[in-house]
Amino acid sequence: SAVISQKPSRDICQRGTSLTIQCQVDSQVTMMFWYRQQPGQSLTLIATANQGSEATYESGFVIDKFPISRPNLTFSTLTVSNMSPEDSSIYLCSTTTVYGYTFGSGTRLTVV
Amino acid sequence: DAKTTQPPSMDCAEGRAANLPCNHSTISGNEYVYWYRQIHSQGPQYIIHGLKNNETNEMASLIITEDRKSSTLILPHATLRDTAVYYCIVRVEGNTPLVFGKGTRLSVIA
Repeated sequence: SAVISQKPSRDICQRGTSLTIQCQVDSQVTMMFWYRQQPGQSLTLIATANQGSEATYESGFVIDKFPISRPNLTFSTLTVSNMSPEDSSIYLCSTTTVYGYTFGSGTRLTVV
Repeated sequence: DAKTTQPPSMDCAEGRAANLPCNHSTISGNEYVYWYRQIHSQGPQYIIHGLKNNETNEMASLIITEDRKSSTLILPHATLRDTAVYYCIVRVEGNTPLVFGKGTRLSVIA
């Protein structure tokens, strides 16, 4: 199955700043998914990103806060903008191939 | 919204079988039952999936009731490394994203 390299693995950021998370896949994939996992909670889908089109956001998530890029079939970024302490979470990217779903190792974000 | 109901937590003695239940009473005929687990905030890991027949692989067995309204994931000989949150997901096959419920936190105890 596909292997995803996600970075950074963790970061501590000041409120009001932005952080861009990158995911690199070792093969071409059509769809990539971004999730948020708040402390002690399950994974919540933020958006689905297809190459060449605007990302589709789930209810409660907006493009201005979580802009996503998908410049080619192996790469995607998620930016967490104008951060507040409530954005402290683990962010994960994921993709699917004929072999199933694969997840990145996650980015643990702490906003202070 | 997740279509499954799982107990929030379970304990299992090391070396014993861990049986994790999942209720999915509204499952449709074309929906599969998938199991994933997440070990200490790593990315979720695929375990097994099935439609209506029981399935077994090197990690686990999946038992689906005849009416398909519930299933059980069986880890035959649980080890400490099986301590994780286990998610039961029902979905049709395709490229739609996985939707996670609250899962079951399994603690394997020495």
